[in-house]
Amino acid sequence: NAGVTQTPKFQVLKTGQSMTLQCAQDMNHNSMYWYRQDPGMGLRLIYYSASEGTTDKGEVPNGYNVSRLNKREFSLRLESAAPSQTSVYFCASSEATRAGNTIYFGEGSWLTVV
Amino acid sequence: GNSVTQMEGPVTLSEEAFLTINCTYTATGYPSLFWYVQYPGEGLQLLLKATKADDKGSNKGFEATYRKETTSFHLEKGSVQVSDSAVYFCALRGLNSGYSTLTFGKGTMLLVSP
Repeated sequence: NAGVTQTPKFQVLKTGQSMTLQCAQDMNHNSMYWYRQDPGMGLRLIYYSASEGTTDKGEVPNGYNVSRLNKREFSLRLESAAPSQTSVYFCASSEATRAGNTIYFGEGSWLTVV
Repeated sequence: GNSVTQMEGPVTLSEEAFLTINCTYTATGYPSLFWYVQYPGEGLQLLLKATKADDKGSNKGFEATYRKETTSFHLEKGSVQVSDSAVYFCALRGLNSGYSTLTFGKGTMLLVSP
């Protein structure tokens, strides 16, 4: 009953380092998302993938890249980490992008950039 | 664009008290509305949802009614428990800049004391 699995759960980076957050879902969902959560800001969409082979920018894409590796996996890459990217990152998925579809979230990845 | 406004917290209640967390929204078209809950150190879990006007979502004693005339989706529970202590997010899903994904409120922390 895994749902959405993301790794790593915790990571500390130095400014300028790069890293990739991995995400996989086992619900055969078509759409996948990356959000970041900051205190007092709620969750904001970074990138999403409506279906395998497509990716699009969300609300706050700057400083990030994504790859939809296959239907199950959607990774988020920070090429040159900055302190402003210290946040909690959530991967999510849904059957499709229709308004009524529920979006299911992973447990989060806590990233600190020093 | 779409937006969600929910009451600021923390909301502090004694066990068995009545809970209301207000949520109002701005959206074009006919969004779906959601409440998510986040327990400490965990990801977001769907609590309930409503996909059209006058629908009532309910789960675990919580309920919320989709009110199009007042653009609201207030969360209520008749008798809260200590285990309900968490952060609650109101969200809508509708078209926003050409894509359909979740727009979140900033979250309301609920603290329930014995």
